[in-house]
Amino acid sequence: EPEVTQTPSHQVTQMGQEVILRCVPISNHLYFYWYRQILGQKVEFLVSFYNNEISEKSEIFDDQFSVERPDGSNFTLKIRSTKLEDSAMYFCASSEAPGQYGYTFGSGTRLTVV
Amino acid sequence: GENVEQHPSTLSVQEGDSAVIKCTYSDSASNYFPWYKQELGKRPQLIIDIRSNVGEKKDQRIAVTLNKTAKHFSLHITETQPEDSAVYFCAPRRAGGKLIFGQGTELSVKP
Repeated sequence: EPEVTQTPSHQVTQMGQEVILRCVPISNHLYFYWYRQILGQKVEFLVSFYNNEISEKSEIFDDQFSVERPDGSNFTLKIRSTKLEDSAMYFCASSEAPGQYGYTFGSGTRLTVV
Repeated sequence: GENVEQHPSTLSVQEGDSAVIKCTYSDSASNYFPWYKQELGKRPQLIIDIRSNVGEKKDQRIAVTLNKTAKHFSLHITETQPEDSAVYFCAPRRAGGKLIFGQGTELSVKP
């Protein structure tokens, strides 16, 4: 069964540093998403992306965040200047079409900001 | 804005008993109603979903029921087993929209 893969699985970074989280969506999928989950809390939507542009973003997704599809396979989330409160699990997901009801999450990247 | 609430927040049952988790949502345009299971340190995994034109769906020991008029849907697990212990999230969405997760229900199944 095709999977969404994410790297790294765990990243530790100093406050104020830039981090890039990487995702390889399922190959024939065109819609990509980032969600995050602070430890012990619910999963929160960050951003959706289609046709090389953001479709929708949440209030969390401020100017410190950006997304990019740099090539035909990767989908990245960049946090320019990390804060302690950015520490969370970040999940990528993809779908064939927005009308496709369900989609599969990647295994996640645990980001720890110290 | 959109609001999703789950009840209860924690649920403890004996192995073999049934468990029911209820999810209430506010967005009347929601038309897709999934339940995700998340084990500690892992990704949310889709376990069952239902679309707005269906009232009930069953898959072996799990089922989901939908009441669109009252804007709630429920997860039913029968004959619970210790491996059912996890956090369960509902995450309704409208067509093409984002999943909006509830706060989760921690299910504990005691052997």
